[in-house]
This record gives sequence, C-alpha cells and structure tokens, in this order.
Amino acid sequence: DAGVTQSPTHLIKTRGQHVTLRCSPISGHKSVSWYQQVLGQGPQFIFQYYEKEERGRGNFPDRFSARQFPNYSSELNVNALLLGDSALYLCASSWTPGTGDTEAFFGQGTRLTVV
Amino acid sequence: LAKTTQPISMDSYEGQEVNITCSHNNIATNDYITWYQQFPSQGPRFIIQGYKTKVTNEVASLFIPADRKSSTLSLPRVSLSDTAVYYCLVDDSTLTFGKGTMLLVSP
Repeated sequence: DAGVTQSPTHLIKTRGQHVTLRCSPISGHKSVSWYQQVLGQGPQFIFQYYEKEERGRGNFPDRFSARQFPNYSSELNVNALLLGDSALYLCASSWTPGTGDTEAFFGQGTRLTVV
Repeated sequence: LAKTTQPISMDSYEGQEVNITCSHNNIATNDYITWYQQFPSQGPRFIIQGYKTKVTNEVASLFIPADRKSSTLSLPRVSLSDTAVYYCLVDDSTLTFGKGTMLLVSP
C-alpha cells in the first residue's frame, strides 16, 4: 500500500520566489495537515484540511496558503520566500481531522532551501 | 505555555528498557496522549496512543496514571535503530509537537 507521498523531495528556491509543494494522502484518508520543521525543532502546524475545507491554521503569515482537491490531495503554497522558510515541510494524512483515537501518517517531507 | 514537557535527551545501551516520561499538567478531558518517533530527515512515525491506564502494542507500552497529568513511554530492549527523537503529544484536534526527547542508544 502506498503511504503518504510528497513531491518534490528536495527544492532550492531564491528569495522572493514562489513555491508549491504537493501531497497525496493514503487512499481513503480525507484529512491532510501540513507542518514545517526547522532544524533542531519539532514540526510546527501550518494547516489542516478535511473534505476540501480548511479546519485549522497555525501561526504562519498569509504568504502561506493551501488547498485540498476533490481527490483529497493537497498543495501548500508559499509566496515571497524568505531565507527563514528553509525547512522540511511535512504532510500528514488521517481518516478524520481529530487526533483522538486516530493515527496520523506522515510523508517523507520536502526539503526546501531558500538561497 | 507548552502543552507537554519531556527530557531533552536520554542515553541508553542496547538491550535495556527505556522509559521516557512526559508531563502534561493541563491535559483536557478530550485529549489523547500520542507518541511519535522521528529519524533524521524523515517524517514522524506513530508509536502508540492512549487515553488512560495502560496501552501496549508490538513496539512499546504507554502508562498513564489516573490523573492523566503525565505519561510514560516504555521501550523494551532497545537496539541501535531506536536512536531517534521521541515526541509526546496531547491534542484533540491538531498535533502540537514540542522539541521531543533525543534518545541515543549505544552498543
């Protein structure tokens, strides 16, 4: 069975550019969440989507946006990239948006480097 | 305020049992306690989840006292491959990760 897949695996962008990261959840999972992980820190919550609607948003600027498609895949967009946006971006999928009595499955992440 | 507090690092040797304790004094009634493991440059991997008392699966046990203000992840007979960061989370909606516990297992 395919797990959570993210693309691309690595990406190098220049400051001020825009980036789109993609995530395909496990088949049957309807909830997708995005996390940012900088070196030495735990993953930080960015967005959660369920049934194509935003269910939660973390403390990130409006440069960050996301959406979920009818097939439950998702995109994370970041505009006007800053050096500080360099991080591992993780996607997690689960059956439902709640964390109680459910398991979230993470992808391998996209390593974004902004130069 | 952080939702959870756990040791920054722990050291162990192969074959030993490792217990990592997490404090979550402000846990809410609806919160579950979940532990994840993460290797470098990989996404976190679910280990175990519980609400109260004791939960055991093929890789770990989770002990939760009656007041639910703390929990202990128990890893029996660790191996070198258990070297990783372990995160304790208490949430009912989105996952909130702290800095985790870096477990180093030596030969």
